[in-house]
Amino acid sequence: DTGVSQNPRHKITKRGQNVTFRCDPISEHNRLYWYRQTLGQGPEFLTYFQNEAQLEKSRLLSDRFSAERPKGSFSTLEIQRTEQGDSAMYLCASSLNVQFFGPGTRLTVL
Amino acid sequence: QKEVEQNSGPLSVPEGAIASLNCTYSDRGSQSFFWYRQYSGKSPELIMSIYSNGDKEDGRFTAQLNKASQYVSLLIRDSQPSDSATYLCAVSPNAGKSTFGDGTTLTVKP
Repeated sequence: DTGVSQNPRHKITKRGQNVTFRCDPISEHNRLYWYRQTLGQGPEFLTYFQNEAQLEKSRLLSDRFSAERPKGSFSTLEIQRTEQGDSAMYLCASSLNVQFFGPGTRLTVL
Repeated sequence: QKEVEQNSGPLSVPEGAIASLNCTYSDRGSQSFFWYRQYSGKSPELIMSIYSNGDKEDGRFTAQLNKASQYVSLLIRDSQPSDSATYLCAVSPNAGKSTFGDGTTLTVKP
């Protein structure tokens, strides 16, 4: 257990529904990252925050994805109008210098 | 060409042998280099970080970095069956996002 928590751990949804995931970082970490990982691939960067500021967002991230980190604490990742291709493990990491990952949220879109 | 390349494996070594994992990267501006271990169905776990050319040792693990050759490796001495996992190489230009390879699957046979 790295101290990064994610909820829910599993989410099954129907195509077209909206889903929201939460990440609670290690308390003293000012940076928070979201990645997506599919089977056989390495984690793919989605977005990252320093404190409450969203500093970078992947060009691969469609407008259906949005992330927030109010008050620089926990973060949420929302996917609107889910598609079957969104099925993946969504990983959150936090850092001061090196990134520590949470357990991930596994999303299945039916 | 992917930004971070790893042999997908599988790499199979007998128990007690040295496992050698390799990674090349394309961004010459990369400053930070990481090795993560990922068991099936779990999130990545940080094993080693390395920032300057040369070797860095931590227990049975040694990371090697050669920035001129854009090459980073991980040696695992006295390999154990519990080392069987996928090993992910990650590189970062700064404190921001990391770019991951797709990992090398290692199997240590008793």
